Formats: sequence, structure tokens, C-alpha cells
Amino acid sequence: SQTIHQWPATLVQPVGSPLSLECTVEGTSNPNLYWYRQAAGRGLQLLFYSVGIGQISSEVPQNLSASRPQDRQFILSSKKLLLSDSGFYLCAWSVWGGISYEQFFGPGTRLTVL
Amino acid sequence: KNEVEQSPQNLTAQEGEFITINCSYSVGISALHWLQQHPGGGIVSLFMLSSGKKKHGRLIATINIQEKHSSLHITASHPRDSAVYICAARKGDNTDKLIFGTGTRLQVFP
Repeated sequence: SQTIHQWPATLVQPVGSPLSLECTVEGTSNPNLYWYRQAAGRGLQLLFYSVGIGQISSEVPQNLSASRPQDRQFILSSKKLLLSDSGFYLCAWSVWGGISYEQFFGPGTRLTVL
Repeated sequence: KNEVEQSPQNLTAQEGEFITINCSYSVGISALHWLQQHPGGGIVSLFMLSSGKKKHGRLIATINIQEKHSSLHITASHPRDSAVYICAARKGDNTDKLIFGTGTRLQVFP
């Protein structure tokens, strides 16, 4: 069966520090991968998605970047965190399957920037 | 105006009540998802539907493509149903990106 891992589960970082969040998927090949952010009191926002190794699409201009060094690994990074980067970060995966598909979400990382 | 709107934003109910959460969208879609987010933040996919109705246990999801509207119903609600329910629309443009509603926070009291 497929599983998705994210770490760390929680993170408290000072403003200006770097960030690296990791997401790995098991049990599937060539998944589409997604990074979402949920700011306090707001809905989920798609940050990045990837359809293959090294292929990253950014949805909104921001202080963050993403990389996909391996088929089932998706990394979210920042060189210098801002207060506004605080939020709940979710990784998800899907596999194209005809006209319909499902997205499966990881457990999330709660980031607090102080 | 958001492309996906949910109502109500907050909902409280007594155990056993019938619950309805509504979702309207303004874009062409190929599928609509209902997700459940637990207090710890984890998200579970409940339904994915592109027409008609689906049922799983006490949960029922319906969609009316012509009216661009979907509903999630919970029969015989229970305190463990307390969560945030999110609808998300998959655009009908051959991408698989989702557009999310802001969620409905449901609290069911015993």
C-alpha cells in the first residue's frame, strides 16, 4: 500500500533562518507531488506541484522554493524565513488515472516562525 | 470572490442530528472532492465525485453539475464527526490541481 511521510511534524524557527521540509512517498511510482500551505484561519493554498523529477511548477510568488531530487521525494525550502511563512504545510500525491483521481495527504508540518 | 465557496463556515449540532454542508463553485470542473481535516491537521479524502451521489457509511455526497453545487450530508451525527470539512474542485482543464474552499468547522456535542 501507498504511504506518505513528512518531517518534521512541528518546527519553530526564527525569522531569517533557513527551512527544509521533506516529503517522501512509498508504494507508487512517478506520482504527481504537491506542497500546500494552510495559514491560520484560511483555506489550503497550492504552493508547488511536480509531475516528475526536476519538474517544479510554482503557483504563487513567495519566499519558498521546492525541489524533487528523486521520483518520490519532494522538498520545500527557504533561505530566509519570514513571519508570514508560519502555517501548516501539507504534502500530497496523486497518480493520473483517467478522468478522475484522488489526492492523498501527508500528516503535515506545523511551522511557527518567531 | 472565491472560485469555491462553502457554507456554513461553522456548524454546531447535537449528537444524532442530520448535517448538511454546501459547496458551490464557479469554474468548470472534472471532479469535486470532499476532505475531512481532524484537529491535529491530518487530512483524509472522503469522496471524489463527478456526477450523482456517493455514500459511505453515514456520509453521503451529491453533486449537481448543472447548478455547480455539491452537498455533504452526515446522518446520525456523532461527536467523532467533529472536524473541518473541505470541498475542493478539480478544474476541467486537464491539470490535476485542486481549488479549495475555506472549510466548514463542525462540532457535534453529545
